[in-house]
Amino acid sequence: QQQVKQSPQSLIVQKGGISIINCAYENTAFDYFPWYQQFPGKGPALLIAIRPDVSEKKEGRFTISFNKSAKQFSLHIMDSQPGDSATYFCAAEAAGNKLTFGGGTRVLVKP
Amino acid sequence: DARVTQTPRHKVTEMGQEVTMRCQPILGHNTVFWYRQTMMQGLELLAYFRNRAPLDDSGMPKDRFSAEMPDATLATLKIQPSEPRDSAVYFCASGLVQNSGNTIYFGEGSWLTVV
Repeated sequence: QQQVKQSPQSLIVQKGGISIINCAYENTAFDYFPWYQQFPGKGPALLIAIRPDVSEKKEGRFTISFNKSAKQFSLHIMDSQPGDSATYFCAAEAAGNKLTFGGGTRVLVKP
Repeated sequence: DARVTQTPRHKVTEMGQEVTMRCQPILGHNTVFWYRQTMMQGLELLAYFRNRAPLDDSGMPKDRFSAEMPDATLATLKIQPSEPRDSAVYFCASGLVQNSGNTIYFGEGSWLTVV
């Protein structure tokens, strides 16, 4: 059973546009929600993360929005750049446990 | 700059051969993960260790896969015998897992092709 569902599987956005990726989870024990970014030929790397006691976290052009009651969280990439073209994974973790990853979203930013 | 090191980076082997992938986790990390990535299945957790003890290997086909951590600086993933469906990128990751909010660091992967 997939505990973290991610959508869309892929998206294309024009340079300067906003990329939005959504994730939903089921396990209410999850208390840490990171996003990982993966470039072709590389391993995933931590991009930004949030805890459920805040509704939004912003780092540069990347923002996580978190809705605890709906058990949903999303990544917004503002002013998308070609260098943001990558695969993005949401994940969720219960204390001291393993990360559960979503299925990934391949983002292509067209110049 | 500390990093997770994986070898080999690329491997092409014939069906039926044994494949061993090695990982050197970041010094001081207490948890090591093995993931497999394919187009169809995304990132799948195969197994993970904490303080060298296996915690969960339920994602691993037991008949042909085995994972070990002979010491704190080496984790291995072995496939014997290999099959074409094992073709994938295998990632090792490590982290200092304590309570929650743990960052795990991935290696660059071992790209396996079984022909």
